[in-house]
Amino acid sequence: SQTIHQWPATLVQPVGSPLSLECTVEGTSNPNLYWYRQAAGRGLQLLFYSVGIGQISSEVPQNLSASRPQDRQFILSSKKLLLSDSGFYLCAWSVPSFGYTFGSGTRLTVV
Amino acid sequence: GESVGLHLPTLSVQEGDNSIINCAYSNSASDYFIWYKQESGKGPQFIIDIRSNMDKRQGQRVTVLLNKTVKHLSLQIAATQPGDSAVYFCAENSQNTGTASKLTFGTGTRLQVTL
Repeated sequence: SQTIHQWPATLVQPVGSPLSLECTVEGTSNPNLYWYRQAAGRGLQLLFYSVGIGQISSEVPQNLSASRPQDRQFILSSKKLLLSDSGFYLCAWSVPSFGYTFGSGTRLTVV
Repeated sequence: GESVGLHLPTLSVQEGDNSIINCAYSNSASDYFIWYKQESGKGPQFIIDIRSNMDKRQGQRVTVLLNKTVKHLSLQIAATQPGDSAVYFCAENSQNTGTASKLTFGTGTRLQVTL
């Protein structure tokens, strides 16, 4: 069966520090991968998606970047965090024309 | 652009009653809709989906209704239980970019189950 792992679960980082969040998927090949951000009490905003290794599409201009070095690995990064980067980050995978399966999320607090 | 919205931000229901959560979508080209449940501090969990060639689909205690004429989606939960307390999101697949499906999510409805 397919599983998705996302870590860390919580993270507190100072402003200006770098960020690296990792997401891996097991049990499937060539999945579509997504990074979403959820502000407190709000809906989900799509940040990046990827249809294959090295293929990244950005949805909104921001202080973050994404990479897909392996088929089932998706990384969200920042060189210098801003206070506004705080939020709940969710990784998800899907196959075309079906819904997403989400990871457990990372609660990022930038202080 | 396309948007998915919800009529009620918070819904309080007594245990054992039925719950109905509503959602409006604006893109008539959307062909796939999903309901997710999100508990506090967790990722959204798939509940049920429906494609645009259907108007009703049933799962265990849940039913999704799709009215394409008025672009309305609803989730019905039968015999609501305390464990159903969560935020519920509707999502529509309105954009297929190459092989990627891009879901647009509503802002969510919080369901509170009272004893």
